[in-house]
Amino acid sequence: AQTVTQSQPEMSVQEAETVTLSCTYDTSENNYYLFWYKQPPSRQMILVIRQEAYKQQNATENRFSVNFQKAAKSFSLKISDSQLGDTAMYFCAFMNWETSGSRLTFGEGTQLTVNP
Amino acid sequence: EAGVAQSPRYKIIEKRQSVAFWCNPISGHATLYWYQQILGQGPKLLIQFQNNGVVDDSQLPKDRFSAERLKGVDSTLKIQPAKLEDSAVYLCASSWPADTQYFGPGTRLTVL
Repeated sequence: AQTVTQSQPEMSVQEAETVTLSCTYDTSENNYYLFWYKQPPSRQMILVIRQEAYKQQNATENRFSVNFQKAAKSFSLKISDSQLGDTAMYFCAFMNWETSGSRLTFGEGTQLTVNP
Repeated sequence: EAGVAQSPRYKIIEKRQSVAFWCNPISGHATLYWYQQILGQGPKLLIQFQNNGVVDDSQLPKDRFSAERLKGVDSTLKIQPAKLEDSAVYLCASSWPADTQYFGPGTRLTVL
């Protein structure tokens, strides 16, 4: 069974600074997707970024980028130029469509607070 | 493009009562998921549909939870009878098969 671990329950950063959220996962599969989702207090889960395991290039979406280390099974999220609206719970998630029916396995989340 | 719709947004019931949640996925998405998110935890899959067939319901407490997606579009999740530990946010998501999942706003259930 796949597991996803987020070792930082809470983090804080000053507005305009950069912060990195950590995620590690455990799988014996070779083909999978990794995701970061953001969940603000409204509780809606919003996709931040997605990485296909077969791609060596790290995914980027505007101020958000990942550091994907497949051999180390590590998938960290970097947020540059942090904004107050980035305050939310961030979840790392894993999906293997070959063996898990495309279910998402989530970590426990990291609560990020951006301070003015 | 309209997103995933869910209703109601909030529900408060007494234990042993029944409750139903509704979800309408993004148009054209064949796969629909129901997740349960207990406060302070990540979401956990309850059931996955591909069109109107069940792909995975291994973590659905079948003695009290049921779900259907009769016409392969919208879906209903039911709890009967509810227990205190069912208090959670129930998230619906949809996707093309084996692709990025997009979530609805969720239903926050409180069981008293």
